[in-house]
Amino acid sequence: AQSVTQLDSQVPVFEEAPVELRCNYSSSVSVYLFWYVQYPNQGLQLLLKYLSGSTLVESINGFEAEFNKSQTSFHLRKPSVHISDTAEYFCAVSGSGYSTLTFGKGTMLLVSP
Amino acid sequence: GAVVSQHPSRVICKSGTSVKIECRSLDFQATTMFWYRQFPKKSLMLMATSNEGSKATYEQGVEKDKFLINHASLTLSTLTVTSAHPEDSSFYICSARDWGLAGRDTYNEQFFGPGTRLTVL
Repeated sequence: AQSVTQLDSQVPVFEEAPVELRCNYSSSVSVYLFWYVQYPNQGLQLLLKYLSGSTLVESINGFEAEFNKSQTSFHLRKPSVHISDTAEYFCAVSGSGYSTLTFGKGTMLLVSP
Repeated sequence: GAVVSQHPSRVICKSGTSVKIECRSLDFQATTMFWYRQFPKKSLMLMATSNEGSKATYEQGVEKDKFLINHASLTLSTLTVTSAHPEDSSFYICSARDWGLAGRDTYNEQFFGPGTRLTVL
């Protein structure tokens, strides 16, 4: 069985400040990790994913996440946020083969001027 | 990239009527699609796994007679909410599974539709 914990339901931050959204997972098998972003009344968009190789993965809009196997974490970071980054962020884990995606409860990132 | 569409994006219906939501993979074939339900300020709840050419697999607690799923082709799955009631009002999201390679292993990646907002009056 696999599970995902996003401890922060909401993270308020000022524009241009750095942010970290925390994600911890548990799984008995090797995992693939994902971060999705959801804007209001929209579906989920893949932000970045860790499959193998380098533990630091980056997205095209400045977000990055680091896979830490010893701490079973996959925290999402951005050094300087924009108002447009305001959205719900979901961390998800999947195993190999026919494994389903397991989502965390989501973290609402609120960026204010 | 892989694109998944949903139709309609919004639907309002009267209590007791049935509503059909379509999920299409536009540029790839998906033998498996998933249907999720999302309550306000909540995470996604997997309702069922839709398999092309066979019966859907429902998660525990999801009424299969209420939420009918049909996966008639490799690019289309439909969710029909039968005899809808106000408590069925929600945001329904589908996803389609595609396969990728991670080293020597295969993993499945899901591509999500934009969602359908159902309001039952």
